[in-house]
Amino acid sequence: QKEVEQDPGPLSVPEGAIVSLNCTYSNSAFQYFMWYRQYSRKGPELLMYTYSSGNKEDGRFTAQVDKSSKYISLFIRDSQPSDSATYLCACTGGGNKLTFGTGTQLKVEL
Amino acid sequence: GAVVSQHPSRVICKSGTSVKIECRSLDFQATTMFWYRQFPKQSLMLMATSNEGSKATYEQGVEKDKFLINHASLTLSTLTVTSAHPEDSSFYICSAREGDRGGYGYTFGSGTRLTVV
Repeated sequence: QKEVEQDPGPLSVPEGAIVSLNCTYSNSAFQYFMWYRQYSRKGPELLMYTYSSGNKEDGRFTAQVDKSSKYISLFIRDSQPSDSATYLCACTGGGNKLTFGTGTQLKVEL
Repeated sequence: GAVVSQHPSRVICKSGTSVKIECRSLDFQATTMFWYRQFPKQSLMLMATSNEGSKATYEQGVEKDKFLINHASLTLSTLTVTSAHPEDSSFYICSAREGDRGGYGYTFGSGTRLTVV
């Protein structure tokens, strides 16, 4: 079993839709949870960063962490074609190593 | 914000030759640098972690003699793929981190597409 599980998609939605992306994890030591966006043939860029359980909002993006169920989510409101990318969740216990999910490929269509 | 420059972005080499990939932190000092490998539609797999001036720590299953990592300064790390073979073809991504701030502070390079023919 992988430490971080993520549905690889692909996920296709119409422009303006609300997108829900999710990951589950198994390591109870994870304390920090990140969402990265990766465009094709590029490195990941940090979208959201959350420590422990709770919600965090930044513009159209909301990250949620539920440590009791080991479940993390990213919501994208009013999705745009420019949001089309692969979204990777990542977790760490605070040491150096990030553990990534497989990434979910998202396509927002006009 | 923090910027990590990775070069080259694409490289094609013949089987048996060696290829060097550079990773530079442009506006911060990277105490730790990371090298990842990513296959199509798969996640980033950590290959090794390096700290300036010390030997890299390789993940299980990664051949240290094949993937040579040098972290010569606080702004530069290199990955050399020695005696490359077609199965080494992949997308290699570096990441640099300044200090130790929980899960924060990782900046990624734009990646290098290696094709071994």
